[in-house]
Amino acid sequence: AQTVTQSQPEMSVQEAETVTLSCTYDTSESDYYLFWYKQPPSRQMILVIRQEAYKQQNATENRFSVNFQKAAKSFSLKISDSQLGDAAMYFCAYRSAKTGNQFYFGTGTSLTVIP
Amino acid sequence: DAGVTQSPTHLIKTRGQHVTLRCSPISGHKSVSWYQQVLGQGPQFIFQYYEKEERGRGNFPDRFSARQFPNYSSELNVNALLLGDSALYLCASSLGINSYNEQFFGPGTRLTVL
Repeated sequence: AQTVTQSQPEMSVQEAETVTLSCTYDTSESDYYLFWYKQPPSRQMILVIRQEAYKQQNATENRFSVNFQKAAKSFSLKISDSQLGDAAMYFCAYRSAKTGNQFYFGTGTSLTVIP
Repeated sequence: DAGVTQSPTHLIKTRGQHVTLRCSPISGHKSVSWYQQVLGQGPQFIFQYYEKEERGRGNFPDRFSARQFPNYSSELNVNALLLGDSALYLCASSLGINSYNEQFFGPGTRLTVL
């Protein structure tokens, strides 16, 4: 079974600074998708960014970017110019391209943004 | 357009009772998935339904069951509740079941078992 590991239970960042959240995963598959989801106190999971494993180029969405290292099975999220609204739980998730009926989530990283 | 909706928002039950949670997908979405999120953990996959058929099942006991209706809404049923069933239950909908279909999550139902 696929496993997703987030080794940082909590992280903090000063407003306007940059922070990187780490994620590693284990799989024997070559084709899959990786995701970062944000879960604010409202509980609603919001997609932040998505990466297709077959794409070498790292995904970017405005202030959010990833560093995808397929060989190392690493998928980190960089948040630039951090804002107070970025404070939330962040979950890394894996989804198989072949049997894509479920996400495998990590245990999450709680991000605090300090004004 | 409305997003994924779930009801109720909160629920308190006692051990041994039965509970039904409801989910309405985004209009046009035919697939619904259910996840259990225990406090301090990431969501864990319970079921996926597509066109009223079960298309995937996670590692949960038979006390957990679900169904999807012709309008694509879904119910998650849990029998003989245990304290360990206390969790946030998330529903996610998508257009189809292909892995590239984005899943949209609802706000969840917080179940507390006393």
